[in-house]
Amino acid sequence: SAVISQKPSRDICQRGTSLTIQCQVDSQVTMMFWYRQQPGQSLTLIATANQGSEATYESGFVIDKFPISRPNLTFSTLTVSNMSPEDSSIYLCSVDRGRTTVDYTFGSGTRLTVV
Amino acid sequence: SQQGEEDPQALSIQEGENATMNCSYKTSINNLQWYRQNSGRGLVHLILIRSNEREKHSGRLRVTLDTSKKSSSLLITASRAADTASYFCATDSGGSEKLVFGKGTKLTVNP
Repeated sequence: SAVISQKPSRDICQRGTSLTIQCQVDSQVTMMFWYRQQPGQSLTLIATANQGSEATYESGFVIDKFPISRPNLTFSTLTVSNMSPEDSSIYLCSVDRGRTTVDYTFGSGTRLTVV
Repeated sequence: SQQGEEDPQALSIQEGENATMNCSYKTSINNLQWYRQNSGRGLVHLILIRSNEREKHSGRLRVTLDTSKKSSSLLITASRAADTASYFCATDSGGSEKLVFGKGTKLTVNP
């Protein structure tokens, strides 16, 4: 399985500010996925990040709020913009390194608290 | 949108007992996976079962898949206090690699 380094692991931010979360993968992957997990809830896909093209956002998520960068095949960032307390969640990145079968790995998550 | 629905939402058992969690989904799938999450941290992959498989084992874990009922179950045998965590099923389908997660079961194993 791939190894993903995600940071920061946690942060407490003021409302109205932005936070950028980074994910570094130890090998090249085509797609990286960003998920949000609200308190006590399951994971919801925010967007899929492809290198060299704009991210594909799921329903309910927009680029202005969650801009994503994917400068190369091993790195991606997710920014949570103009934060409000409702953005307090765990954010996770994930990759699928499988060739003949799926092989997903998740980052350790970023626990964001907006005050 | 959530594809999978786990039940029960919460389960509390004694150490040594077996724990069974169920997951249902709505559309045809390629694979179904079970993940574990401790205290809201990162997810740990437990087991993957393909749509053409019916049962799979890994250590104390047993997963079944019934595609006619669009459901899966995860059995943890001889549970330990360290098994206390939230368990999620996740499916992928069609030509997409993205995962759709169920709501999860919070398991508490009391020593």
